[in-house]
Amino acid sequence: QKEVEQDPGPLSVPEGAIVSLNCTYSNSAFQYFMWYRQYSRKGPELLMYTYSSGNKEDGRFTAQVDKSSKYISLFIRDSQPSDSATYLCAMDDTGANSKLTFGKGITLSVRP
Amino acid sequence: DGGITQSPKYLFRKEGQNVTLSCEQNLNHDAMYWYRQDPGQGLRLIYYSQIVNDFQKGDIAEGYSVSREKKESFPLTVTSAQKNPTAFYLCASSMVGTGVYEQYFGPGTRLTVT
Repeated sequence: QKEVEQDPGPLSVPEGAIVSLNCTYSNSAFQYFMWYRQYSRKGPELLMYTYSSGNKEDGRFTAQVDKSSKYISLFIRDSQPSDSATYLCAMDDTGANSKLTFGKGITLSVRP
Repeated sequence: DGGITQSPKYLFRKEGQNVTLSCEQNLNHDAMYWYRQDPGQGLRLIYYSQIVNDFQKGDIAEGYSVSREKKESFPLTVTSAQKNPTAFYLCASSMVGTGVYEQYFGPGTRLTVT
């Protein structure tokens, strides 16, 4: 079993839809959970991060961590065409940010 | 403007040649990283460095080499020993310490070896 599994996609939704992106992981030592967004032919940029279990909201984005199930989610409300990108989950066990483990990424397309 | 620069954006090489990818940052970050991204794959760590003159292998270091002679610079050499060098290469940097520090990524270099 890979350390981090992410739904392969691609995912296509109409504008305004609620999007749910998910990752599962096997390493119970992971404590820091991040979501990166990567536009085509660009480097990824950090979208959100959470520490341990719980929810974190930032505008239209909500990150959710369930450590008991080893499951994290990113919800996008009122999705926009500008949200079309690849979303990568990433995890770290030490907080030292030296060896992030990334999921494979899922490509989201929001149709106008 | 603060950030990370990678050059060139596209690079073409013949099989059997070594090639060096440039990465420079002016964010005053101590840590720098090299990742490889293949289609449908996540980012895989090649090498990372948390301090000048020191670096560690990541998960796929074979066929690659790095140096960290200056805080601002972390060049990656793809050697002829790397069996499948064609990929998108991303450099990143971050602060170092306990807690979460964002990794800032450069725009990437797309290497094609034929």
